[in-house]
Amino acid sequence: GAVVSQHPSRVICKSGTSVKIECRSLDFQATTMFWYRQFPKQSLMLMATSNEGSKATYEQGVEKDKFLINHASLTLSTLTVTSAHPEDSSFYICSAHAGGLAKNIQYFGAGTRLSVL
Amino acid sequence: AQKITQTQPGMFVQEKEAVTLDCTYDTSDPSYGLFWYKQPSSGEMIFLIYQGSYDQQNATEGRYSLNFQKARKSANLVISASQLGDSAMYFCAMREGSNTGNQFYFGTGTSLTVIP
Repeated sequence: GAVVSQHPSRVICKSGTSVKIECRSLDFQATTMFWYRQFPKQSLMLMATSNEGSKATYEQGVEKDKFLINHASLTLSTLTVTSAHPEDSSFYICSAHAGGLAKNIQYFGAGTRLSVL
Repeated sequence: AQKITQTQPGMFVQEKEAVTLDCTYDTSDPSYGLFWYKQPSSGEMIFLIYQGSYDQQNATEGRYSLNFQKARKSANLVISASQLGDSAMYFCAMREGSNTGNQFYFGTGTSLTVIP
């Protein structure tokens, strides 16, 4: 199946610093990527839809200036958590839509566990 | 109303037995897709199986099958011959509409534990 690479898998940072998370589609072009946040033992919460070459669409309640998304190419989307605080500690996971493949599946990265001290 | 409902927070199954994980959905769109994902403790989301709303037959992928009952709006996942490695969280998801770039709606998940 299609592969999505997400990096880093884990990051620990100090409060006030910014953290960038990369999401790459390795063997297909992804015009649309999605960023989710997941709290322990809960479901995935969609944060934003990242569209190549245009601005991301953020879900209600998600601060776009706090969570900067850039989808500069058909294989790469980045999420930057700016001025991170302990409440931003969470599991962030991206997915990419393989539009050209059958079944319209979203393939997920392995996730990034962010801990803000 | 919830788009996807998974009513079983936790399930146990004996190794080599079959287990059914429940999922119901709510949509008025005639075109939609239903998906099941597995999330082991490592966190990655692994695609298991897909069912399109217009598919006439239930989807099957190896030991996974999807019991699609359109009139009841249910899309239960059946895992046959359970293995210890099947222990994980399982999420049901739906994509509404025919636009394949539309967002997915996820259920709250079911934690499956396979007992040796």
